[in-house]
Amino acid sequence: DIQLTQSPSFLSASVGDRVTITCRASQGISSYLAWYQQKPGRAPKLLIYAASTLQSGVPSRFSGSGSGTEFTLTISSLQPEDFATYYCQQVNTYPLTFGGGTKVEIK
Amino acid sequence: QVQLVESGGGVVQPGRSLRLSCAASGFTFSRYAMHWVRQAPGKGLEWVAVISGDGLNKYYADSVKGRFTIARDNSKNTLYLQMDSLRVEDKAVFYCVRWVGDYPDSWGQGTLVTVSS
Repeated sequence: DIQLTQSPSFLSASVGDRVTITCRASQGISSYLAWYQQKPGRAPKLLIYAASTLQSGVPSRFSGSGSGTEFTLTISSLQPEDFATYYCQQVNTYPLTFGGGTKVEIK
Repeated sequence: QVQLVESGGGVVQPGRSLRLSCAASGFTFSRYAMHWVRQAPGKGLEWVAVISGDGLNKYYADSVKGRFTIARDNSKNTLYLQMDSLRVEDKAVFYCVRWVGDYPDSWGQGTLVTVSS
């Protein structure tokens, strides 16, 4: 199975900060990676698919990059509504797998 | 609009069975692969299983293989997850998810399964 390692698992940031989350795959997955945002008690929301394509309706401050085994999610200017947990997921090979998550909290 | 409504969750003893359902509406159900994803309380997301639109192809997470069975009834626009030999560690919120191409675009609200003696 493909393992996804997210880092950091927790980060504390301020409104307006630039935030970067990394996801590393245990083997190459081309660009078959998605990023999700999840708030407490809610289903995950797709932010980015195919590693770098912004899902319709998602603010442009979110961006994704990478291919192969290393990927990043960047929030260019953190907004109050962005405080949440973020997950990566590989969709290259079954079984599909998620990263462990990154919780973004207010500093 | 797309609607996915899960049901069937509840409290069950270890070793027993439970069947989850997901009623789909607002789209042509048979055209889409459907997945189950779960989340244990306070933990991360875990992909569980997928079934193709025609029901012929299925894949499972290693943690549920041989115990869970995904199925669908396209005439009833309903997705199922039959869960047998339940374990304490299966306690989670289970989400029904519609896939479009390689990625999900709609999630249900989730249904909680608690496995406890």
